[in-house]
Amino acid sequence: AQSVSQHNHHVILSEAASLELGCNYSYGGTVNLFWYVQYPGQHLQLLLKYFSGDPLVKGIKGFEAEFIKSKFSFNLRKPSVQWSDTAEYFCAVSPSSNTGKLIFGQGTTLQVKP
Amino acid sequence: DGGITQSPKYLFRKEGQNVTLSCEQNLNHDAMYWYRQDPGQGLRLIYYSQIVNDFQKGDIAEGYSVSREKKESFPLTVTSAQKNPTAFYLCASSKTGGHTGELFFGEGSRLTVL
Repeated sequence: AQSVSQHNHHVILSEAASLELGCNYSYGGTVNLFWYVQYPGQHLQLLLKYFSGDPLVKGIKGFEAEFIKSKFSFNLRKPSVQWSDTAEYFCAVSPSSNTGKLIFGQGTTLQVKP
Repeated sequence: DGGITQSPKYLFRKEGQNVTLSCEQNLNHDAMYWYRQDPGQGLRLIYYSQIVNDFQKGDIAEGYSVSREKKESFPLTVTSAQKNPTAFYLCASSKTGGHTGELFFGEGSRLTVL
């Protein structure tokens, strides 16, 4: 069965620290990859996505993610976090030949201390 | 403004009662989805619909039912057969069912069974 695993459930950082959130998926075929973010009190929104091409993708607010096919990973990074990055982050995967199913990871809560 | 409207935002019900959660979108999207969000488990797909008058079960469909009589509307009924219905329910839509684009989420409905 397809699955998505996020390694860190709760991350606490100080402002200006670098961020890397791990995401690994289990699926043997071609996939589309996503990171979604849920800021406190707001609805889920897309942070960035990868379909094909350059494995390093850039999203909103200075976030980027790198797809490493051999490791089945799609880790999210940001060089310097801000207090406003405090949120819950979800990695998600869909098979490229999908039937409409998007599979989410368990989520990582990021707390940035000012 | 275009978007997804879920109602009610908070709902309480007694055990043994069915309850229906509303989801309406004015984005002219073909596909709509229902997810359940529980702490530490991320989002799990309940049902999805890629076109009017058609829908498919997700990973945790037992105890739930849906209908898709109109493009704009995708109501979810939580039946008394659902063993653990207390949760946060998210409705989403996308332009197509192929996940080549992003999901747009509503603000969610929190159901508590007393």
